[in-house]
Amino acid sequence: NAGVMQNPRHLVRRRGQEARLRCSPMKGHSHVYWYRQLPEEGLKFMVYLQKENIIDESGMPKERFSAEFPKEGPSILRIQQVVRGDSAAYFCASSELGEVFYGYTFGSGTRLTVV
Amino acid sequence: GDSVTQMEGPVTLSEEAFLTINCTYTATGYPSLFWYVQYPGEGLQLLLKATKADDKGSNKGFEATYRKETTSFHLEKGSVQVSDSAVYFCASPGSGNTGKLIFGQGTTLQVKP
Repeated sequence: NAGVMQNPRHLVRRRGQEARLRCSPMKGHSHVYWYRQLPEEGLKFMVYLQKENIIDESGMPKERFSAEFPKEGPSILRIQQVVRGDSAAYFCASSELGEVFYGYTFGSGTRLTVV
Repeated sequence: GDSVTQMEGPVTLSEEAFLTINCTYTATGYPSLFWYVQYPGEGLQLLLKATKADDKGSNKGFEATYRKETTSFHLEKGSVQVSDSAVYFCASPGSGNTGKLIFGQGTTLQVKP
């Protein structure tokens, strides 16, 4: 019974390249959340998705960042034209219900380094 | 706006010492409250939770009581172990309960033998 799977675990990109981060939720979970953790800081909410729908993207930067959760396959967080300030750990979480009553299950994260 | 505030770290304790990590929240009403733990290089794990005022969450020797009078959810453990060394995050969905969590900034705990 696999948990939330994120890949890759580590990703290195040069400035200006694109970064694609993948998240497969737990089996049976249809709600996915993305968070970003900057060095020495807490987690900041980015986006909340259900299958084929973006429910809340209030934490997403206005430019270069996008997210999707297609009917089939993992959720993707895409960062275009990366800059050094995008270097962070990106965590995905999933839940069975669209509420946090029971708490999320988090993946192990993708650590993005922009050089 | 809604917020979660934790005591600043790092916190350094000797094994078997008593631990308290303070957490207070700002929100309308009485949202659920959570403590998550992050071990080095890993994601966050749910440690314990309380879903209404006056509830006590507990797990692995850790406890936290939801106190509405002081809008607090302080984490405690009577006797810490080296294996408890990690970063601890307090979190809440805030007033909206919309599915997103508001996290405190995290408190690093280091336990020395």
